[in-house]
Amino acid sequence: GQQVQQSPASLVLQEGENAELQCNFSSTATQLQWFYQSPGGSLVSLLSNPSGTKHTGRLTSTTVTKERRSSLHISSSQTTDSGTYLCAIDRNMGYKLTFGTGTSLLVDP
Amino acid sequence: EAAVTQSPRNKVAVTGGKVTLSCNQTNNHNNMYWYRQDTGHGLRLIHYSYGAGSTEKGDIPDGYKASRPSQENFSLILELATPSQTSVYFCASGGQNQAPLFGEGTRLSVL
Repeated sequence: GQQVQQSPASLVLQEGENAELQCNFSSTATQLQWFYQSPGGSLVSLLSNPSGTKHTGRLTSTTVTKERRSSLHISSSQTTDSGTYLCAIDRNMGYKLTFGTGTSLLVDP
Repeated sequence: EAAVTQSPRNKVAVTGGKVTLSCNQTNNHNNMYWYRQDTGHGLRLIHYSYGAGSTEKGDIPDGYKASRPSQENFSLILELATPSQTSVYFCASGGQNQAPLFGEGTRLSVL
């Protein structure tokens, strides 16, 4: 079955609203990574957060390892935040990542 | 500046033909990866490498070969391309304890 599940599949916000993206995984993860993919573009690493809470800019990730879940909070969304947010885990040491199918975010002006 | 460069960016191939996708990194990373991305599946790992001369099978290696002739270069080879291999392919490179850097992707259509 799906090892990494993300929800919601898609999300539409008005600029300035906050977003909460969820990632649940079925295996123990030694690494957990959030990526951003622009429409038709490549992937950019946002945060590495295998456990606890991490912040960068308007992004906050909280990972509860025992419950095998992670969230990504985007505050004060901007139109440029539109794209797909991908969660990925690695079950072993190293970065052989297993990806979720992503959350597609659209921020309207 | 760290970079992963893929070529070609777009490719149309015929069924049964041979396709080679190339990837070059200037980051001096030991690890390199090939993923494919399809709607409904996310990114899936095809092959990876820990250094020059090494290749390892990922989660979906069937129908693909990989070659790592040098630290900088990692190729993905489709000996007999099939329409089911139509996809977007991403190469990435990474160090031991850092998230991989991804290339811009190669859009492959097999007709």
